[in-house]
Amino acid sequence: DAKTTQPTSMDCAEGRAANLPCNHSTISGNEYVYWYRQIHSQGPQYIIHGLKNNETNEMASLIITEDRKSSTLILPHATLRDTAVYYCGPKAAGNKLTFGGGTRVLVKP
Amino acid sequence: KAGVTQTPRYLIKTRGQQVTLSCSPISGHRSVSWYQQTPGQGLQFLFEYFSETQRNKGNFPGRFSGRQFSNSRSEMNVSTLELGDSALYLCASSLEGQKETQYFGPGTRLLVL
Repeated sequence: DAKTTQPTSMDCAEGRAANLPCNHSTISGNEYVYWYRQIHSQGPQYIIHGLKNNETNEMASLIITEDRKSSTLILPHATLRDTAVYYCGPKAAGNKLTFGGGTRVLVKP
Repeated sequence: KAGVTQTPRYLIKTRGQQVTLSCSPISGHRSVSWYQQTPGQGLQFLFEYFSETQRNKGNFPGRFSGRQFSNSRSEMNVSTLELGDSALYLCASSLEGQKETQYFGPGTRLLVL
């Protein structure tokens, strides 16, 4: 399985952008990178995914490096409700998600 | 559309017992995957079902099994429960295949005493 690493925790000021890095250096060429977040041990909530190109949706932006070994999730204007654990990782063959250890993001007023 | 639903939400069992967890996917989704999440091991893939057939399987012992019904609803069963089986069990559904996004249910929290 691909190995994914993320910072353990990160603080962010409300209203500011939050940039969350993810390292997935062993990702295979056809594996998408997925980002989810999880609040209070509820089920993970889908945020965004991408293969090679940068992606943007109503929740966030995803920047993937050209060599695909790392990516950054950008929350453009963090709110208190964005406090959560953020997970990234590839979806491997067999429709199998493999997350890193997650980054605990605390948005402060 | 209603999201993925899982029942029960919480469960307490004792060692040696068995347990059955249920998952109803998003309407129209035919793939259902099961994951185990623990603080120590993180998210681990159990198996995936598609069209009533197990399509992929993770590295779990045979005590963990599942099935899928014709309406795409799925159940997973754990027999001879061990203390280490205490975890959050998550079900995720997707339309069909590898390129589709998986959407998770709220999970079933199982405590084995």
